Amino acid sequence: DVKVTQSSRYLVKRTGEKVFLECVQDMDHENMFWYRQDPGLGLRLIYFSYDVKMKEKGDIPEGYSVSREKKERFSLILESASTNQTSMYLCASSLWDAGYTFGSGTRLTVV
Amino acid sequence: AQSVTQLGSHVSVSEGALVLLRCNYSSSVPPYLFWYVQYPNQGLQLLLKYTSAATLVKGINGFEAEFKKSETSFHLTKPSAHMSDAAEYFCAVSDTQAGTALIFGKGTTLSVSS
Repeated sequence: DVKVTQSSRYLVKRTGEKVFLECVQDMDHENMFWYRQDPGLGLRLIYFSYDVKMKEKGDIPEGYSVSREKKERFSLILESASTNQTSMYLCASSLWDAGYTFGSGTRLTVV
Repeated sequence: AQSVTQLGSHVSVSEGALVLLRCNYSSSVPPYLFWYVQYPNQGLQLLLKYTSAATLVKGINGFEAEFKKSETSFHLTKPSAHMSDAAEYFCAVSDTQAGTALIFGKGTTLSVSS
C-alpha cells in the first residue's frame, strides 16, 4: 500500500527550539508539499518542492524552511518555534496532474 | 489568483437525507477541481476530481460532484447520508498548469444525525 509517512503524530516543543518535521513518501512522486491546518482557516500552503533540492514558497513561509535532499523525503524546519506555530501540519505528495496523497498529520504544540 | 469558497462551515443532515456541500471557485484558466474528506485525527483522502473530462464526476462512498462553468461551482452531493459520512470536507482548485499547488477552501464539517 503506497503511502506518505509523517514521523510523529504528536509533538510538544518549547518556544525557541528548532523543530524538524519529517515526511517520507514511497510512491516516487516528484512533488511534495507542506500545509498547516487550523480551525476555520482550512489548509494553508507553507512550502512545496517539484524536485530534489528545489523549493518554492507557499502562502505562509515566514518562520519556516524546508529541505529536500532526496526525492522521497521532504522536511519542514521551524527555525525557532513560537506559540503561534502550534498547529496540525500535513505533508502531501503528488504526480503531475494527479491529486495529492496526504500523510496522517503531525499535531505540534509549542509551549 | 485562484481561490475557493465553501459556503457554510457546518452542515447538518439526518441519516438518509440528501447531502449538498457547496463550493465555488475563482480561476483565470480552466481549473482542476478536487474534493477531499478528513475523518477525525486523520489526513485528507481524495473523494473525487474534475480534470476537464466529464462534467459529472463520481467518487468514492457514493459521492458525486458536477462542474458548472457558468456558475463557477463544483458542489458535492450524495443522495442518502450515512452516519459514517460525518467528517470535514474540503474543496480544492489548481489551474491546468502541471504541478501547481492546490488551493484549499476552509472546509465544511458535515454532521449526520440518526
